[in-house]
Amino acid sequence: EAQVTQNPRYLITVTGKKLTVTCSQNMNHEYMSWYRQDPGLGLRQIYYSMNVEVTDKGDVPEGYKVSRKEKRNFPLILESPSPNQTSLYFCASSFSGFPGNTIYFGEGSWLTVV
Amino acid sequence: GESVGLHLPTLSVQEGDNSIINCAYSNSASDYFIWYKQESGKGPQFIIDIRSNMDKRQGQRVTVLLNKTVKHLSLQIAATQPGDSAVYFCAEALYSTLTFGKGTMLLVSP
Repeated sequence: EAQVTQNPRYLITVTGKKLTVTCSQNMNHEYMSWYRQDPGLGLRQIYYSMNVEVTDKGDVPEGYKVSRKEKRNFPLILESPSPNQTSLYFCASSFSGFPGNTIYFGEGSWLTVV
Repeated sequence: GESVGLHLPTLSVQEGDNSIINCAYSNSASDYFIWYKQESGKGPQFIIDIRSNMDKRQGQRVTVLLNKTVKHLSLQIAATQPGDSAVYFCAEALYSTLTFGKGTMLLVSP
């Protein structure tokens, strides 16, 4: 079954404690991306990756890092989380960029920073 | 976690009615547009897409209309069902960047 899998799904952490949200896809997709979703703001792109070792900033990259060492994995790293990073995070992947390639989303990761 | 549906415009319809959800996009250079459905607790789900060289595309019970002159996109859902209740997002794509609208909540009453 085609899947984008995120972990953890729910996390409460404290300010400044480094955390990583993992994302893995089993579709051999080249393109992967991270979004955050906040009430009234919709989904905003944090980072994306066109392929292994290729990453680019999205609209709201501050406070986040990513890496793409393998095709299937695209972890989101918060080196020093702050309360304004409390949000719902989605990982997504597609075969290639746009247009025409369906984008698959993970189920989301609820992150609370206190 | 807080609901992602807060502060959203809401469209309330009766089961069986046709629904029209509108979206204004921002970049006249965007060349690809997508509608997503998001149910509570789930990730966005692809509904239908349209390229900028088209003005209409039909799927099963859904139609997307694109008006590039006024940068407007609409999603029409025929014979709306309670299972269509969700938040609907439009997204515009240019190169490898996907920009989402803020979403509209659709509530369908039996």
